[in-house]
Amino acid sequence: QAVVTQEPSLTVSPGGTVTLTCDSSTGAVTSGHYPYWFQQKPGQAPRTLIYDTDNKHSWTPARFSGSLLGGKGALTLSGALPEDEAEYYCLLSYSGAVVFGGGTKLTVL
Amino acid sequence: QVQLQESGPGLVKPSQTLSLTCTVSGASITSGNYYWHWIRQPAGKGLEWIGRFYTSGRTAYNPSLKSRVSISIDTSRSQFSLRLNSVTAADTAIYYCARLSPGYWGQGILVTVSS
Repeated sequence: QAVVTQEPSLTVSPGGTVTLTCDSSTGAVTSGHYPYWFQQKPGQAPRTLIYDTDNKHSWTPARFSGSLLGGKGALTLSGALPEDEAEYYCLLSYSGAVVFGGGTKLTVL
Repeated sequence: QVQLQESGPGLVKPSQTLSLTCTVSGASITSGNYYWHWIRQPAGKGLEWIGRFYTSGRTAYNPSLKSRVSISIDTSRSQFSLRLNSVTAADTAIYYCARLSPGYWGQGILVTVSS
């Protein structure tokens, strides 16, 4: 089974920009992996921010964007707010299976 | 507005079967090109994909759970269900149902495996 790897933790300053990445043990991440990004705050269910690489949900703030970057899936946060402090998970689809990354704890400080 | 709601026992004994149901409102679980998923999260840990079914009826499961898990649907009640056999304490988690595209999740249900 494939392993999906994310940075365990990242820190961004308020108003700053940060990129979270999603790496696949099977090789380069492509649009065919349909990368998803989820945000989860303590005590809450996850919520989808990005689906199919770069599509946003109606509630996804404009400061979040998804892309492919250097063979990885990427979530970029531009203009971080204190409320963006959370755990972020990516997900990749493989033939007949889905794998979550281990999550990135993002601190806004 | 699409809404999902998990239901089922919050306590299951070791070696028994965990059974949960997800009730969907605001969408049909048999129309459109969508996957409907079960996902779980042990306390303090990350998300783990359990399995999914496609609106055509095809199912797929996490290889690490495949021998113990099954997903079924009840179209008359707009529900899909999870069964996980031979549970142990390691199956204690919050269980979520979801349609990931574009992003509808249930609130989750805590299931504890304990005698």
